[in-house]
Amino acid sequence: GAVVSQHPSRVICKSGTSVKIECRSLDFQATTMFWYRQFPKQSLMLMATSNEGSKATYEQGVEKDKFLINHASLTLSTLTVTSAHPEDSSFYICSAWTGSHQPQHFGDGTRLSIL
Amino acid sequence: KNEVEQSPQNLTAQEGEFITINCSYSVGISALHWLQQHPGGGIVSLFMLSSGKKKHGRLIATINIQEKHSSLHITASHPRDSAVYICAVFSETSGSRLTFGEGTQLTVNP
Repeated sequence: GAVVSQHPSRVICKSGTSVKIECRSLDFQATTMFWYRQFPKQSLMLMATSNEGSKATYEQGVEKDKFLINHASLTLSTLTVTSAHPEDSSFYICSAWTGSHQPQHFGDGTRLSIL
Repeated sequence: KNEVEQSPQNLTAQEGEFITINCSYSVGISALHWLQQHPGGGIVSLFMLSSGKKKHGRLIATINIQEKHSSLHITASHPRDSAVYICAVFSETSGSRLTFGEGTQLTVNP
């Protein structure tokens, strides 16, 4: 089945550091990739939608200068949390989608802890 | 009221029991996802369906479009089935975006 690889799985770093998270579709080309954030015991919250070669569409309340998304190819999207602070600590998960009538395929997520 | 509601929120069962998780939605949809989120956080897509019934191993998913309701059944439950099960819908108007239910935490005891 379709595999999405997300890396790293866990990051612990100091406040002020920028952190890059990669999301790769390993055996298919993804028209669209999604980035979600999840707080403990809560459902996934969509942060942004990215299409290859175009600017990401951010959800209301998500700072695009804080959460930089690059979708350079049909198999790779990256999320960079710039100048991370403790309140950015969360679980971030990506998904990849090939188009209509297809499921979204999720990565294993990245647990980000900012000290 | 959430557009996608699941019940129950928490479910504890003994190994071998038949499990049912319900999902009701209030919007027109093009398809519905059942997802499984492991304790480590990774999410697996179990089913995507837009009508009828699908079966994979011990898992069965059904959907009734007229009643805007779907169920996920697990037969002969096992401790390794312990996870959060999430219902998510592709609405007719939101295109590629998923709207998620709050999830059902399932614990299967040996």
